[in-house]
Parts: sequence; structure tokens; C-alpha cells
Amino acid sequence: DVLLLESGGGLVQPGGSLRLSCAASGYTFSSYAMSWVRQAPGKGLEWVSAISGSGGSTYYADSMKGRFTISRDNSQNTLYLQMNSLRPEDTAVYYCAKEPNTGSCFDYWGQGALVTVSS
Amino acid sequence: SYELTQPLSVSVALGQTARITCGGNNIGSKNVHWYQQKAGQAPVMVIYRDGNGPSEIPERFSGSTSGNTATLTISRAQVGDEADYYCQVWDSSTVVFGGGTKLTVL
Repeated sequence: DVLLLESGGGLVQPGGSLRLSCAASGYTFSSYAMSWVRQAPGKGLEWVSAISGSGGSTYYADSMKGRFTISRDNSQNTLYLQMNSLRPEDTAVYYCAKEPNTGSCFDYWGQGALVTVSS
Repeated sequence: SYELTQPLSVSVALGQTARITCGGNNIGSKNVHWYQQKAGQAPVMVIYRDGNGPSEIPERFSGSTSGNTATLTISRAQVGDEADYYCQVWDSSTVVFGGGTKLTVL
């Protein structure tokens, strides 16, 4: 069974950095694109970033460009999100999500990691 | 940037049919996907590429797209269908979600 497990969330001060990880299992990790999607408390889903299966192509939401970096280690079956210059409005649950072969949607999601940006 | 518009809430009587709309410019030309998110849980895909349902999703869930509107239809609504529902498309190398619709089963 496909399993996605996020880690690395927590409390960070404004201007600080945090790296989220998403450990994948149950499928050939390198064959599928992945994304990060976040959800602020009481709000809707917001896409953050995507990366191709090889890691050679990356995509970002405009509001995250330059502050967030998505990467993956296919040898470790792990997806990452490096978040810098964090702001209070970045407070959210961050989900990693897997795309199917046909792409453009998300067939599996992790349980989420809470990131709280506050002094 | 591309935008998707959903009603904030939809109510349906138990056993009746609920329809949740998702509006977007020429959305009929895009692949539209739908997710269900119950309170405190991660989203679950219920419809992909306009009208296809994952095998684990009941056939009561269906989707359609035409012109500027995509519609998620839930037949014979059950209390367990109460959740937030989100539509999603890809546009210009970015993922776009609708604002979400809260479904209440009365």
C-alpha cells in the first residue's frame, strides 16, 4: 500500500527556516511526480510546489517562489520542502501528495505536518 | 492567474442528490479533479479527469464538465458524505484549487 509520512513540522519564529520531509513507501518513488499542498487553519487547500519524478523539473506557486525549495532523494524515497524566511501567514498543515501516471491530480496524500510561525 | 469558484456551502436532504459546482474560464477544456476532506483528515480524491472515479470511491459520486462549469454530483447522499469538497485543475504549470464547498446532509 502507498504510504506518505511527513515529518519536520513545528514552531518556528518569523524569519526562520524549516525543512519538511515526506517518506514514501509502497510504490516506485522515482516514477512519480510529487507536490506539497498546504492548508492554513480553517482555510482551503493551497498548492505550494511540485517536482517531477527525476527531480529535474520543479514548479512553485508565485507566493512561494524564492523562499521555498522542493527537492527529492530517490535513493531514500524521500521528498523535501526547504522553507526560508517564514512568515506568520505560512502557518498551515503541509501535505505531501503523489501524482498518478496520468498526472495533473493527486491520488495519495500524507497525513500532514503542522508548521506554526510565531514569536 | 486562473481562478476556480465554488459555493461556500451546499445542503442536501438525506438520500437526495447533491450537486457542487466549480466555475472557471473555459473549464471544459481542462481536466478537473475533485477531493473530499472530512474534518481533521487529509483530502481524498473522489473524481479525476472530469468524471472518473477511483475504484474505492462509491459510484454515487460522479463528475461532469461543460463550458465554464464543472459539477460534482453525489447521489443518495449519506451522513458520511458530509465534508468539504475541492475542485482542482492544472493551469500554466501551476495547480489551482477551488475555495472549497462545505456539504451538509440534513
